[in-house]
Parts: sequence; structure tokens; C-alpha cells
Amino acid sequence: NAGVTQTPKFRILKIGQSMTLQCTQDMNHNYMYWYRQDPGMGLKLIYYSVGAGITDKGEVPNGYNVSRSTTEDFPLRLELAAPSQTSVYFCASSYSTWTGGYNEQFFGPGTRLTVL
Amino acid sequence: EDQVTQSPEALRLQEGESSSLNCSYTVSGLRGLFWYRQDPGKGPEFLFTLYSAGEEKEKERLKATLTKKESFLHITAPKPEDSATYLCAVQANNYGQNFVFGPGTRLSVLP
Repeated sequence: NAGVTQTPKFRILKIGQSMTLQCTQDMNHNYMYWYRQDPGMGLKLIYYSVGAGITDKGEVPNGYNVSRSTTEDFPLRLELAAPSQTSVYFCASSYSTWTGGYNEQFFGPGTRLTVL
Repeated sequence: EDQVTQSPEALRLQEGESSSLNCSYTVSGLRGLFWYRQDPGKGPEFLFTLYSAGEEKEKERLKATLTKKESFLHITAPKPEDSATYLCAVQANNYGQNFVFGPGTRLSVLP
């Protein structure tokens, strides 16, 4: 298994440009997450999904959009990039059952995004 | 406000010198506390989940413990390969799928 893969690894955007960060997992996990990590700060949840077709906002969703059309893929869309979106973005996935088992999150390698 | 703090911010140890990392949390009903290891330029890697006060878990040189207000990650006789940033995260009963992460402790183990 490749686990959680993310593309691209690095990207530089100009203010106002848009882009999509790709995330794919091959573990058949139902939950997927997008986080951002800024220096000296903890990971902040942007959006998450509990299954195909179902997404919800996390702590810092402004400026981002997501969709989940398949179990495997969970792309993150940045519209009108701003310098405040300069960060490292991590995608993660986990498997949780209706009984509430909280299995660990598996993280991708991250995408380092700079907005100039 | 629910929050997670970690101390120290950075820790430098000699190989074999045991120590502990602290994770203090304030949440309205703890669902689970998680420890992750993060190497530079990589995503976090899961270490432990603790659910209730008094619980302990071990993995090689690492042992995690949990009280009602904090968790400790004890590192016994560390090796240089244990150098990494260690992250603590909590999930509260009212968070749904939102996990609150601490800023991490950057551990360096010198040979």
C-alpha cells in the first residue's frame, strides 16, 4: 500500500491564483482530513469528510473548498490565493466505525505552498 | 476554550539520557489523546492513543501516560534516531471529527 499520497510536494502561487491540492489514499478509509501546519503552531483542521459525498468544515475553512466524489480522493481547492495561505498542507485518513472507534490518522507527506 | 500546550518547546538530550515530554490539555470531556512523531519534511506518524486517566502504553523506548489534565511521553535511554518533533492532540466529546493539536516538542538526541 502506498498509504496517503499528496501532490504536488511544493508550489509557489501568485496572489489571486487558484490551485487544487490532490490527496489519495489506498487503505479504504472512510474518514479523510485536510490540515495546515504553520511554524510554531499546531495542526489546524480545514475540512474533513466522513465518506464519499459528505464533507464538513473544520476550524479554519475560509478560503478553501473540498469535494469527495470517491472513497480514495479528497482534493482541496484554493480560490484566490492569499499570503495568509502560505503553509504546509497535510492530508490524512482514518477508519472509524459507527460504534465510535477512533483509529489513528495516517498522514501524507505534505504540500509546501508559498503565496507571493 | 479547549486547548493543548506542550513543554518544553525544544529538548536536547545526550544519547542514553532519559527524560519526559509534557502535554497539558483543557477540554470539556476527553474522548481521546493522541501522540504523533513528525520528522522534518514529513507528515506526522501515529504513536499512541490514550482514552482514560491512568492508562499507559509503551512502544520500544517510549511510554505514554495520561492523567485528567496532562499526558507524559517518557523516553528511556534515547538514541539519535529518536530525534523528531513529538505532537500531542486531543479529541473532545463535542468536537465531532475535530482534533486539537499542540505545537509540539522538538527533541534532539546527540550521540
